[in-house]
Amino acid sequence: NAGVTQTPKFQVLKTGQSMTLQCAQDMNHNSMYWYRQDPGMGLRLIYYSASEGTTDKGEVPNGYNVSRLNKREFSLRLESAAPSQTSVYFCASREAGWGNQPQHFGDGTRLSIL
Amino acid sequence: GNSVTQMEGPVTLSEEAFLTINCTYTATGYPSLFWYVQYPGEGLQLLLKATKADDKGSNKGFEATYRKETTSFHLEKGSVQVSDSAVYFCALSEGTGNQFYFGTGTSLTVIP
Repeated sequence: NAGVTQTPKFQVLKTGQSMTLQCAQDMNHNSMYWYRQDPGMGLRLIYYSASEGTTDKGEVPNGYNVSRLNKREFSLRLESAAPSQTSVYFCASREAGWGNQPQHFGDGTRLSIL
Repeated sequence: GNSVTQMEGPVTLSEEAFLTINCTYTATGYPSLFWYVQYPGEGLQLLLKATKADDKGSNKGFEATYRKETTSFHLEKGSVQVSDSAVYFCALSEGTGNQFYFGTGTSLTVIP
């Protein structure tokens, strides 16, 4: 059971470069999420997609764009990477927008921007 | 608004010690409450959940009781093991809302 798969697992970029982080889930979940995790800050929501065809901003959307490609896939794009975007990025999915359903997480992408 | 507050870490315990990690929440309605665990280099895994007041979630020897009167969901384990060393996150989700609200995490180290 793959669950939520994120690629790549590690990436080093130079300031100003662009890249796309990929996320796919095989649980037929409607909702998908992108978080960043920084020391002492916990998890901060970047963007989420409540269902296929919709996306909404979270707490820290600046500098990022997202695409809900289909029900399975939700990508995160950095158009012009900055050192402040050095972080661990997690994708998550959830069965539906109901409060009692948990989120399921991928193993993360560790991104360093020099 | 919604928020979760966890006790500050790091927490260091000897093997077989009793563990409590405090979690309190603020919510406008009737949230569901969750504990997640994150092992080094991995993503968050659901540890347990409770969906209404007085529910007790339990898994792998961990327990937490949803206390509406004190707006708390403290995580407990009677006898920790070295393998429990990880970061623990308390979280809430409310009604039909899509967002989760996470605490900042509590790092636990268990020494032999």
